[in-house]
Amino acid sequence: EVQLVESGGGLVQPGRSLKLSCAASGFTFSNYYMAWVRQAPKKGLEWVATISTSGSRTYYPDSVKGRFTISRDNAKSSLYLQMNSLKSEDTATYYCARTIHTMGITLDYWGQGVMVTVSS
Amino acid sequence: EIVLTQSPTTMAASPGEKVTITCRASSSVSYMHWYQQKPGASPKPWIYDTSKLASGVPNRFSGSGSGTSYSLTISSMETEDTATYYCQQWSSNSFTFGSGTKLEIK
Repeated sequence: EVQLVESGGGLVQPGRSLKLSCAASGFTFSNYYMAWVRQAPKKGLEWVATISTSGSRTYYPDSVKGRFTISRDNAKSSLYLQMNSLKSEDTATYYCARTIHTMGITLDYWGQGVMVTVSS
Repeated sequence: EIVLTQSPTTMAASPGEKVTITCRASSSVSYMHWYQQKPGASPKPWIYDTSKLASGVPNRFSGSGSGTSYSLTISSMETEDTATYYCQQWSSNSFTFGSGTKLEIK
């Protein structure tokens, strides 16, 4: 059974840093691109980052580029999101998701999410 | 960046009623995918590659479309279909999501 379990969330002050982790199991982690998606309270879904199978390629939207860094450790089947210079608008539930390429590219498994609150 | 516009934002349907949710893209996309999300839960893949149902999705659901216009249809609304539905596309190494359609039962 595929499982994605996020951890590392919490309350952090504006301008500070936080690192999220996602532990993957039930599939060959190194074979899949992975992504982070967030959802602000009562809002919609926003893509945050994608990483290639080896970790050599990473992609971000402008809203987090230069502040967030996605990484992975295939030996540990783990995905990470380093978030720096956090802003109040980064407050959200952060989901780890597996990327799959069928005909199109979509996210076929999601974790339960971890809450990040940026507030003084 | 391709922007996805969903309509309606919210809607209520009676049991047995046909429901259609639309997703329009600012530029042509090859495929559209849909997720269902219930309160307090993670999004679930619902329809992928425009018209394929994810595992466990009832066949009263269907997806269609091409180019810049896509839709999710429920042939006969049931109480359990109450949820928010999001469309999603991928292009130029970026995912974008629609703003969501909240579907309620009358």
